[in-house]
Amino acid sequence: AQSVSQHNHHVILSEAASLELGCNYSYGGTVNLFWYVQYPGQHLQLLLKYFSGDPLVKGIKGFEAEFIKSKFSFNLRKPSVQWSDTAEYFCAVYSTNAGKSTFGDGTTLTVKP
Amino acid sequence: EADIYQTPRYLVIGTGKKITLECSQTMGHDKMYWYQQDPGMELHLIHYSYGVNSTEKGDLSSESTVSRIRTEHFPLTLESARPSHTSQYLCASSGLAGDGDYEQYFGPGTRLTVT
Repeated sequence: AQSVSQHNHHVILSEAASLELGCNYSYGGTVNLFWYVQYPGQHLQLLLKYFSGDPLVKGIKGFEAEFIKSKFSFNLRKPSVQWSDTAEYFCAVYSTNAGKSTFGDGTTLTVKP
Repeated sequence: EADIYQTPRYLVIGTGKKITLECSQTMGHDKMYWYQQDPGMELHLIHYSYGVNSTEKGDLSSESTVSRIRTEHFPLTLESARPSHTSQYLCASSGLAGDGDYEQYFGPGTRLTVT
């Protein structure tokens, strides 16, 4: 069965600090990779996604993620965080064979102004 | 903002009651999902559907049941609610069949408390 592991449960940063959230998955077949974000009081929404092509994908609000197939990783990065980035971040893997997604257990990011 | 709706947003109910959580989407998506999420925890897939009259159980065992009689509607029912069912329930939908788009659109969730 596929699984998704997010390395950090809670990250606290000051504004302008750089961010990297780790995500590793275990599945050998064809996968699509996602980062979702849930801002306080809002719906879960897509931050960025990877299907194929350039392994470095860019999402909304200055976020990017790099797919490293050999490491089964899809880490999320942002060079300079803002207070408004405070949210919960979920990595997800969609298996085309299984026809469903598996989510990591989330990382809560708190950015101090 | 995605066109996926859940009602009620909040529900407090006594043990033993039957409840139905509603989920509707207006995007014509074939695939729909129900997740259970406790605060600060991961999303657990409890049910999913590929289309009308198609329902499957997810990774997390659940005493709830679902139905998919119409494309846009995917209700979840608990025949007899228990305190262990207290959680947040998220509905999601994705893509049109065959288009390769597996991005999921989420509803606002229903926060259920069983007393």
